[in-house]
Amino acid sequence: DQQVKQNSPSLSVQEGRISILNCDYTNSMFDYFLWYKKYPAEGPTFLISISSIKDKNEDGRFTVFLNKSAKHLSLHIVPSQPGDSAVYFCAASLVNSGNTPLVFGKGTRLSVIA
Amino acid sequence: ETGVTQTPRHLVMGMTNKKSLKCEQHLGHNAMYWYKQSAKKPLELMFVYSLEERVENNSVPSRFSPECPNSSHLFLHLHTLQPEDSALYLCASTLGPGTVNTGELFFGEGSRLTVL
Repeated sequence: DQQVKQNSPSLSVQEGRISILNCDYTNSMFDYFLWYKKYPAEGPTFLISISSIKDKNEDGRFTVFLNKSAKHLSLHIVPSQPGDSAVYFCAASLVNSGNTPLVFGKGTRLSVIA
Repeated sequence: ETGVTQTPRHLVMGMTNKKSLKCEQHLGHNAMYWYKQSAKKPLELMFVYSLEERVENNSVPSRFSPECPNSSHLFLHLHTLQPEDSALYLCASTLGPGTVNTGELFFGEGSRLTVL
């Protein structure tokens, strides 16, 4: 049973428009959420995160929103650029759980069309 | 550059070969991980090492054998693999126990393995 779900395997967006990537989770104990970006043949790189005590975190063109009651988070990219084309993974964790690893979703492949 | 280095980046091996993947981290982290990424599947956790001790083996077949000689190095020894083991193998590290740890992982660039 997947604890972190990204239900859209792919998303295409025009350059300059907003990209919205969605993620749902089932474990209400998760208290920290992260987004990773992955280019082909490379390892995932950390993009942005949010603690469960917040509902929004912004970093430049990237904003993550958290709706705890719905167990839902989303990543907004605006404006989208061709270099944003990659696979985006949502991940969840329990802060200070020691070495308990992140739980990842399956990823969403974003294609930004020029 | 994430501070986690994996070698080799690409490996092709036959089913009877024995090879090893290497991971090195320069971040002072105490926990290291092996993940497997196959096409159209989520990242699959394979092994977790914390303070050089294996703390999790996620039902991985014995043809994969990890080794962690110190907190900076992690190996994955490969023996009599199957074609379905072809995948991208990712090493990652994190601060580990005894720290204020959000669980953020730092990944290497991966080793692309092809088993013929």
